[in-house]
Amino acid sequence: GAVVSQHPSWVICKSGTSVKIECRSLDFQATTMFWYRQFPKQSLMLMATSNEGSKATYEQGVEKDKFLINHASLTLSTLTVTSAHPEDSSFYICSASLEGEITEAFFGQGTRLTVV
Amino acid sequence: GQNIDQPTEMTATEGAIVQINCTYQTSGFNGLFWYQQHAGEAPTFLSYNVLDGLEEKGRFSSFLSRSKGYSYLLLKELQMKDSASYLCAAMDSNYQLIWGAGTKLIIKP
Repeated sequence: GAVVSQHPSWVICKSGTSVKIECRSLDFQATTMFWYRQFPKQSLMLMATSNEGSKATYEQGVEKDKFLINHASLTLSTLTVTSAHPEDSSFYICSASLEGEITEAFFGQGTRLTVV
Repeated sequence: GQNIDQPTEMTATEGAIVQINCTYQTSGFNGLFWYQQHAGEAPTFLSYNVLDGLEEKGRFSSFLSRSKGYSYLLLKELQMKDSASYLCAAMDSNYQLIWGAGTKLIIKP
């Protein structure tokens, strides 16, 4: 199956700083990438849909100025959590899909963010 | 609205069989997915159903009834490593995945 690599797998940062998370499709071109957030014992919550070369589409309630998404190439999307607060501590997961196909979502390994 | 329901937690015995149910309501339907997620890890794909019926894949099988908006994941010959959360997700008409909250499966020796 297709491989999606997410980096870093975990990060600890201070309140007020920014953190960038990268999501790469290693062996296919991902025109669309999805960013999810998951709190303990809860399901995946879609934050935004990222399309290569265009602005991301954010879900209702997700602050686009706080969670900056860039999808500059067909193999890389980044999520930057700006001015992080402790309540932003969560598990962030990206996934990618193949254009025009109904297939399984290919997930990155996830990033555990802890804001102290 | 769109909604996925599945039990929060289930307990089963090693070597036994367990069935995890999922009901869904979506705007349009392009298939039902099951994923396994171990704590602290990303989900891994288990199965995809778009037509009614049972799909068997080794110890895992998945069933779909589109008319009832219902699916189940059947796990046979349970092993301790099967202890995980199992996520049900339905794909809507916009090809977006609508996720259930997950069922935590606890396997006891």
